[in-house]
Amino acid sequence: SQKIEQNSEALNIQEGKTATLTCNYTNYSPAYLQWYRQDPGRGPVFLLLIRENEKEKRKERLKVTFDTTLKQSLFHITASQPADSATYLCAPYNAGNNRKLIWGLGTSLAVNP
Amino acid sequence: DVKVTQSSRYLVKRTGEKVFLECVQDMDHENMFWYRQDPGLGLRLIYFSYDVKMKEKGDIPEGYSVSREKKERFSLILESASTNQTSMYLCASSLIGEAFFGQGTRLTVV
Repeated sequence: SQKIEQNSEALNIQEGKTATLTCNYTNYSPAYLQWYRQDPGRGPVFLLLIRENEKEKRKERLKVTFDTTLKQSLFHITASQPADSATYLCAPYNAGNNRKLIWGLGTSLAVNP
Repeated sequence: DVKVTQSSRYLVKRTGEKVFLECVQDMDHENMFWYRQDPGLGLRLIYFSYDVKMKEKGDIPEGYSVSREKKERFSLILESASTNQTSMYLCASSLIGEAFFGQGTRLTVV
């Protein structure tokens, strides 16, 4: 069955450093991959979408890569700030099945001042 | 500003009660979803709908039903609430890909 794996361990980094989160998928060939941010007690909020033919996508301090050979996406936050502390979720999907996103469990990020 | 609104932020119900969770979106989206989220289990899809009066089971539909009589409204129904349905319930809508979530309903069944 399709499986999405994200770093299960919480990630703790110092303010100003780059945070790198990993999303691996198996038994799946998504054409798109999304990243979301979720704060405690709140619903996820969309951050970025990357297509299979895009190797890299940037938005302000965020960068996402998508390697269809490795079946992996990396999510980077540069110059991290305490306000970036949250859980980050990846959700790959295909256009024909975009009604039903498949979600990773998320990685908890803590940025320490 | 796009919006998905869930009827309650917190809800406490008794075992055996019939519970209605309402969700309304103002973006004219075709697709709507109900998830529950529990620690360590992530987002689990209960039901989704891609059109009015259409519904499809997700991964954990047992004990739940849904209703979509109008495009903007998607209701989740717990036919007979049980303590194992205590959870955070999240509604979402989407057109293509990007999902917009409501603020969540934390339901406690006692």
